[in-house]
Amino acid sequence: GIQVEQSPPDLILQEGANSTLRCNFSDSVNNLQWFHQNPWGQLINLFYIPSGTKQNGRLSATTVATERYSLLYISSSQTTDSGVYFCAVTLDQAGTALIFGKGTTLSVSS
Amino acid sequence: EAGVAQSPRYKIIEKRQSVAFWCNPISGHATLYWYQQILGQGPKLLIQFQNNGVVDDSQLPKDRFSAERLKGVDSTLKIQPAKLEDSAVYLCASSLVSAAWDAEAFFGQGTRLTVV
Repeated sequence: GIQVEQSPPDLILQEGANSTLRCNFSDSVNNLQWFHQNPWGQLINLFYIPSGTKQNGRLSATTVATERYSLLYISSSQTTDSGVYFCAVTLDQAGTALIFGKGTTLSVSS
Repeated sequence: EAGVAQSPRYKIIEKRQSVAFWCNPISGHATLYWYQQILGQGPKLLIQFQNNGVVDDSQLPKDRFSAERLKGVDSTLKIQPAKLEDSAVYLCASSLVSAAWDAEAFFGQGTRLTVV
């Protein structure tokens, strides 16, 4: 089946630093979403980005579907950015559900 | 717009007992998913419904897990009997369109199950 690999697995930052999280996938996908899982376990939608670039405040994401990767950029990180970031994809087949990577755990300290 | 609602938020049961989780998707969303998230891992799909029909239940342990989505709206997931390894967060998600691809999925807050 499709492999979704996220890197790095863990990231520790000082407040104010910038970071880039990467998601590689092994097959053609039709959908890609980035989520932030907060300390209470809620999965918060960050981006729905099967291709192209999107920005939302301090966060932006780029997906290059032809090269099978996506990047999530976090600028001027804040302590509230801490948590686990997941990339999830659906195969390029009708009817498939999101397949998740193992996540990147981000810790931002003040 | 209300999000995906799940209950209960937390549940502690003894092994071999049964438990049920409830999910109410976003209004109008045709596709509903149940995921299991074990600590330290990404969510894993258990079952996917489109309206009230099952699209994919290939990863559902059918000897102990069951799920239904009556009338194509609310859904329940049941475990009977529970095992220690079922301790996890159970997440419900929904998406708008009837074709599950190319549709943004939204998740509920999850039910944290502890089996002792």
